Amino acid sequence: ELVMTQSPATLSVSPGERATLSCRASQSVSSNLAWYQQKPGQAPRLLIYGASTRATGIPARFSGSGSGTEFTLTISSLQSEDFAVYYCQQYNNWPPALTFGGGTKVEIK
Amino acid sequence: QVQLQESGPGLVKPSQTLSLTCTVSGGSISSGDHYWSWIRQPPGKGLEWIGYIYYSGTTYYNPSLRSRVTISVDTSTNQFSLKLSSVTAADTAVYYCARDPDYGKNYFDYWGQGTLVTVSS
Repeated sequence: ELVMTQSPATLSVSPGERATLSCRASQSVSSNLAWYQQKPGQAPRLLIYGASTRATGIPARFSGSGSGTEFTLTISSLQSEDFAVYYCQQYNNWPPALTFGGGTKVEIK
Repeated sequence: QVQLQESGPGLVKPSQTLSLTCTVSGGSISSGDHYWSWIRQPPGKGLEWIGYIYYSGTTYYNPSLRSRVTISVDTSTNQFSLKLSSVTAADTAVYYCARDPDYGKNYFDYWGQGTLVTVSS
């Protein structure tokens, strides 16, 4: 099974500061990686796909980078609405065995 | 605007079969443009993909759940369904239905609001 590992588990950041979240794959997933944001009581929201392409309506302060096994989600200047849990997901396998990382919680410092 | 809505019992007894339905509005499952997925999230934990179905009935399942999962589609009602057999407390979770943005692009751009299913006697 292709395992996705996110770090850190919790990230404490002050509003206006930059947040950098990491996602590592146990084997290469090329650029077949997505990022989601999830707030309490809500479904996840797609932020990034193809490792670096923002989804429709996602602000430019969200950016994704990486390929292969190492990926990063950067939030350039945290806004109050960005405090949430973030998940990465790989979609490289065929037949599909889609897997998510364990999540990073971004909390107010 | 596509909308997905899960429905089904919120409480299932151990060893029984969990059954949920996802109703799609604002778009047609029969268009053939998307795969339709089930994803679950145990309380306080991360996300687990269960499987997906194409309008033709072709399915792909998470290998870890394959022996207990059946996903089916009803294009006449624009719905797809999940059955998970022999449930235990470990199957307690919020269950989401979701859609990929385009055929074969296996990430998820539209999600239902989720429905909590508790397995308990």
